[in-house]
Amino acid sequence: GAVVSQHPSRVICKSGTSVKIECRSLDFQATTMFWYRQFPKQSLMLMATSNEGSKATYEQGVEKDKFLINHASLTLSTLTVTSAHPEDSSFYICSAREGTGRNTEAFFGQGTRLTVV
Amino acid sequence: AQSVTQLDSQVPVFEEAPVELRCNYSSSVSVYLFWYVQYPNQGLQLLLKYLSGSTLVESINGFEAEFNKSQTSFHLRKPSVHISDTAEYFCAVSRSSNTGKLIFGQGTTLQVKP
Repeated sequence: GAVVSQHPSRVICKSGTSVKIECRSLDFQATTMFWYRQFPKQSLMLMATSNEGSKATYEQGVEKDKFLINHASLTLSTLTVTSAHPEDSSFYICSAREGTGRNTEAFFGQGTRLTVV
Repeated sequence: AQSVTQLDSQVPVFEEAPVELRCNYSSSVSVYLFWYVQYPNQGLQLLLKYLSGSTLVESINGFEAEFNKSQTSFHLRKPSVHISDTAEYFCAVSRSSNTGKLIFGQGTTLQVKP
């Protein structure tokens, strides 16, 4: 399958600072990328959907000003957690898809563990 | 709205024993069903999916899942597990067949013991 790489895999930051997480499709052009978040012992929850060159669509309850998503190229999307707080500590994972046709599979990155202290 | 429940958070099993990981969903509309596997330090990988047709779907590594509409279930089974099957397994549903917006269950950790 196609490869999606997330960086960093782990990050620790101080409360009040911002953190950027990258999601790259290494061998295909990702027209759409998805960002998920997983709290301990809970499901992965979709945060937002981003299409290359346009603004991200956020799920209900997700603050768009806090979680800035940029999908400026067909191989890179970034998630910036602004003014991070301990409650933002979570596992963030992206997926990327080429095209929107039926049965087009989205491939997942390995995830980023964010700890805010 | 859709939701997914994985009833078991952890399933310990001995090598070569059979295993079943349970998944139930609720939805007021037709959905597509998926199982993903996450090995340590890796991303989620699609294991198998039900889109239409035969309710029994199989993966290349011996897992199978059966879509049961009346019981709204999509349980994952393997007749004989290996140590290498140790991983986190996620059940998911989507209104779209192209694994776009997925709604996940909480995950089940399969621990295969020698």
